[in-house]
This record gives sequence, structure tokens and C-alpha cells, in this order.
Amino acid sequence: GENVEQHPSTLSVQEGDSAVIKCTYSDSASNYFPWYKQELGKGPQLIIDIRSNVGEKKDQRIAVTLNKTAKHFSLHITETQPEDSAVYFCAASMTARQLTFGSGTQLTVLP
Amino acid sequence: DAGVIQSPRHEVTEMGQEVTLRCKPISGHNSLFWYRQTMMRGLELLIYFNNNVPIDDSGMPEDRFSAKMPNASFSTLKIQPSEPRDSAVYFCASSPLGQPQHFGDGTRLSIL
Repeated sequence: GENVEQHPSTLSVQEGDSAVIKCTYSDSASNYFPWYKQELGKGPQLIIDIRSNVGEKKDQRIAVTLNKTAKHFSLHITETQPEDSAVYFCAASMTARQLTFGSGTQLTVLP
Repeated sequence: DAGVIQSPRHEVTEMGQEVTLRCKPISGHNSLFWYRQTMMRGLELLIYFNNNVPIDDSGMPEDRFSAKMPNASFSTLKIQPSEPRDSAVYFCASSPLGQPQHFGDGTRLSIL
């Protein structure tokens, strides 16, 4: 089955700096890669996703890049703000149904 | 718009008792997923339904766990009998077929 590894497990950045979280996956058949943000006491919330037919996708301060050859994808958050502090999860799937999640990254944005 | 609604938000019960978790998916979504989140194992898919039919239950830990979806607007996850190692946060998610999943805010389950 699919295995997703996520790094780093914790990340602290100064407000206004950029944050990068990286994931690798094992199953070359995976073609859907969402990123979720989870705040304390809440469920994961989808923030961006990418399918394997594109290499990069942006949505305001958030971008995701995908390298299918190397089987890794990354989340980039620019101009970080305190409200970006949360746990971020990557996931991989062939179908957008059976998601395999990474272990999460606790992002702290320091004011 | 109403999101995925889960109840109860918190459940504390004694070992051996039956536990029933409930989920109302977003209207119009025909896929429904149950996940379990723990510190040790992270987020794990337990089971998912398409059009009320269970498609893949390979993540269900053991026979003590069962899930049903009697109609398009309601699903239950039942644990009987419950054990302390079942303590976790259980999430329900829904989506249109093949589209991104939307999660509820979970049920925090503690088995004493």
C-alpha cells in the first residue's frame, strides 16, 4: 500500500517569512495530493490540492509543487501570519477516496 | 452552508460499553468516510461508502467495529464492546464522488 512520509514534524518561522513542508510517497500510481490544515479541536480543512497532470498550483499565499519522478511534493506558505499556526497534513491517493496521510507538521508562526 | 455534522463531540464511557458515533454528511455528497486519529498512528481511514454502500472496510481494526449508512444523510460508527485502546478522535468526512473530502470536527472518545 501507499506510504507517505512528511517532514519536518515541527517548524517555527517568524511572521512574514516563508514555510516549506515536504512529503514523499511510495506508490507511483498515486495521482492526487491534497494538503489539510488542522486547528486545535477542529477537523482537517482542505487548503489546496494538486493532481499529477500539473507540477505546481498556487492559491494566494499557498502553493504546492509536485515532482512525480522523484515522488515528492511540497507545500509553500509565503508571508506567514500567526493565524497560519496549525498542524498541516499531506496525503496521497489514486482516487481522492482512499487517502493515506502523512504524520503532520506543527507549524508555529512567531509574531 | 452546513458542513459535516458529527455527534457527540465528546464521549466518555467505561470499558465494555457500546459506543455509537453519528455523522450527517454534506447534502449532495455521495461518498462518506470514517477516520480515526491518534498520536501513535495519525489519521487512518477506517471505512468508506459510495451511495450508501460500503466499498472498503479494510481499515476497520476488528470485528468490534461496525459502520452503517442507512440513507444518504446519516451514518453511524459503532464499537461494541469498547476498550481503552479505542480512545481516539473519530472523524467523518464526505465528498462528491472523486472530489476533495470535507471533514467534520470529530468525536473525541475516551474509554475508561
